[in-house]
Amino acid sequence: NAGVTQTPKFQVLKTGQSMTLQCAQDMNHEYMSWYRQDPGMGLRLIHYSVGAGITDQGEVPNGYNVSRSTTEDFPLRLLSAAPSQTSVYFCASSYSNTGLQETQYFGPGTRLLVL
Amino acid sequence: AQSVTQPDIHITVSEGASLELRCNYSYGATPYLFWYVQSPGQGLQLLLKYFSGDTLVQGIKGFEAEFKRSQSSFNLRKPSVHWSDAAEYFCAGRNAGNMLTFGGGTRLMVKP
Repeated sequence: NAGVTQTPKFQVLKTGQSMTLQCAQDMNHEYMSWYRQDPGMGLRLIHYSVGAGITDQGEVPNGYNVSRSTTEDFPLRLLSAAPSQTSVYFCASSYSNTGLQETQYFGPGTRLLVL
Repeated sequence: AQSVTQPDIHITVSEGASLELRCNYSYGATPYLFWYVQSPGQGLQLLLKYFSGDTLVQGIKGFEAEFKRSQSSFNLRKPSVHWSDAAEYFCAGRNAGNMLTFGGGTRLMVKP
């Protein structure tokens, strides 16, 4: 298994540009989520999905859209990038969201710089 | 509000010395607690987790953590630090709302 994969590893955008961060997992996990990591703030949840066709907002959803058309993929879209979205983005997945003991598996991250 | 706090932003220890990283939580009920480690340029790897039962939890890489309800703490420990332990460590909590809340992280540096 490849686990959780993310592309690209690094991206530079200009303010106002759009882009999609890709996330895929091959573990048949129902639950997938996106976090952003900023210095001193740990990881903050952006959006999450409990299964194909179902998404919900996390702690910091503004400026981001998600969709979940398949179990494997959970892309994160920035429609109009802003410098405040400069961050490292992590995708995570777990088998389900009903078991609190479920371990979340994290991807390697995408480093985004918005100029 | 639910929160997880890591009071120490940076910690430096000598190789071979013992280590304790602090984590405090604030939840209405006892949350499920986790420690993750992030090596430079890498994603997060789970070190250990606590749900119930024995309050001393053993993890990978020689780490352990002790849950203390009276102090709302879940501190991570290692008896002898290796240079390869230099990384950033995150404490996280999860409750019935099932959202994982992270602390701000503690960056560990190891002196030779």
